[in-house]
Amino acid sequence: GAGVSQSPSNKVTEKGKDVELRCDPISGHTALYWYRQSLGQGLEFLIYFQGNSAPDKSGLPSDRFSAERTGGSVSTLTIQRTQQEDSAVYLCASSLGAGGGYTFGSGTRLTVV
Amino acid sequence: AQSVTQLGSHVSVSEGALVLLRCNYSSSVPPYLFWYVQYPNQGLQLLLKYTSAATLVKGINGFEAEFKKSETSFHLTKPSAHMSDAAEYFCAVSRGRSGGGADGLTFGKGTHLIIQP
Repeated sequence: GAGVSQSPSNKVTEKGKDVELRCDPISGHTALYWYRQSLGQGLEFLIYFQGNSAPDKSGLPSDRFSAERTGGSVSTLTIQRTQQEDSAVYLCASSLGAGGGYTFGSGTRLTVV
Repeated sequence: AQSVTQLGSHVSVSEGALVLLRCNYSSSVPPYLFWYVQYPNQGLQLLLKYTSAATLVKGINGFEAEFKKSETSFHLTKPSAHMSDAAEYFCAVSRGRSGGGADGLTFGKGTHLIIQP
């Protein structure tokens, strides 16, 4: 597509429920990134994919967080047993690779109640 | 590990005045540096990036930044502020050794730019 598409744009969930966030990168972009933006922590790197593989998962906050990317395209970020501290805006970005600069999506605003 | 410090969580300037947003970085490798802008309820948009070519980098919307290795700084400037420049600005450094941000970026806390009429 023309830009990075994220869905849903807003999600309200009850504490303890699982959520799935979706990112559809720009066609042809091999690199895909997930970040979390919250008031207290600013922008935090979560994970990146080169193609379908994620070389570095160290940014994921806990084992309740997981991400996958299939077909070198769409990625899903899954949060299991959500907690209130998971409330944040989750941003996805994609790029052609090193030095390409990122294109960010508009984010998914997650609210855990 | 790489890190970024943005001085001033809020900066207020008058319309038409010089904009200066400060960014200092720490990096164990030659850094790739970026400035992004975020308008309300939107994602981040790349303003400019430094990738070890020219030290003075020109970006979109009249912004530019100068890489100063001796000061470990990458301050963002614009000669004349416009009301439409009001937004959140983030400085970032590439996380790893591969450069260009291929393995992700470390962001500063952001600076909220306020333009006074």
